Amino acid sequence: KAGVTQTPRYLIKTRGQQVTLSCSPISGHRSVSWYQQTPGQGLQFLFEYFSETQRNKGNFPGRFSGRQFSNSRSEMNVSTLELGDSALYLCASTLGTKLLYETQYFGPGTRLLVL
Amino acid sequence: DQQVKQNSPSLSVQEGRISILNCDYTNSMFDYFLWYKKYPAEGPTFLISISSIKDKNEDGRFTVFLNKSAKHLSLHIVPSQPGDSAVYFCAAEETSGSRLTFGEGTQLTVNP
Repeated sequence: KAGVTQTPRYLIKTRGQQVTLSCSPISGHRSVSWYQQTPGQGLQFLFEYFSETQRNKGNFPGRFSGRQFSNSRSEMNVSTLELGDSALYLCASTLGTKLLYETQYFGPGTRLLVL
Repeated sequence: DQQVKQNSPSLSVQEGRISILNCDYTNSMFDYFLWYKKYPAEGPTFLISISSIKDKNEDGRFTVFLNKSAKHLSLHIVPSQPGDSAVYFCAAEETSGSRLTFGEGTQLTVNP
């Protein structure tokens, strides 16, 4: 079974631009979560989508948004990029049923550099 | 407020010996705990997990121990191998939630 895939793997943008990152979960998984990893803040939760609805949200500004499609693929958008948005963006997927303890499986990440 | 803490930024052990990585948490609502292994510029790879109804879970060379009263968990790797060298993150989750709270990570180096 294929794992979580993320595209693109690397991206360079300039301040003020916007960016869209994509994530395809493991087949059958309906929940997708996004995380940001930076040297200063570590791994921080951005938001989670399940059945095309945002189900949980971390403490990030409104410039960070996302959506999920009917096939469970998810996109994350960052508008008006700032230098501090340079990070590794990770997505993770689970079944999302919350009936059992579910493990989140991560993709390889998208490395974003803002100049 | 750091709810999950890994107090050792780095750990160095000899090949064949035991590696013990520690993690402390403060949120009493956490009831599912996971360990991930991570290489630079890659996503975390799931290693092993434990729910709060257990105090030990074992999978091959990896064992996780949970002490709920002390709000402490540890990962034991026996025997350690050079390929185990990576950053190890502990993470915690509330059953009702869907967000993982991560520790800062511990860089494990296993020397041949």
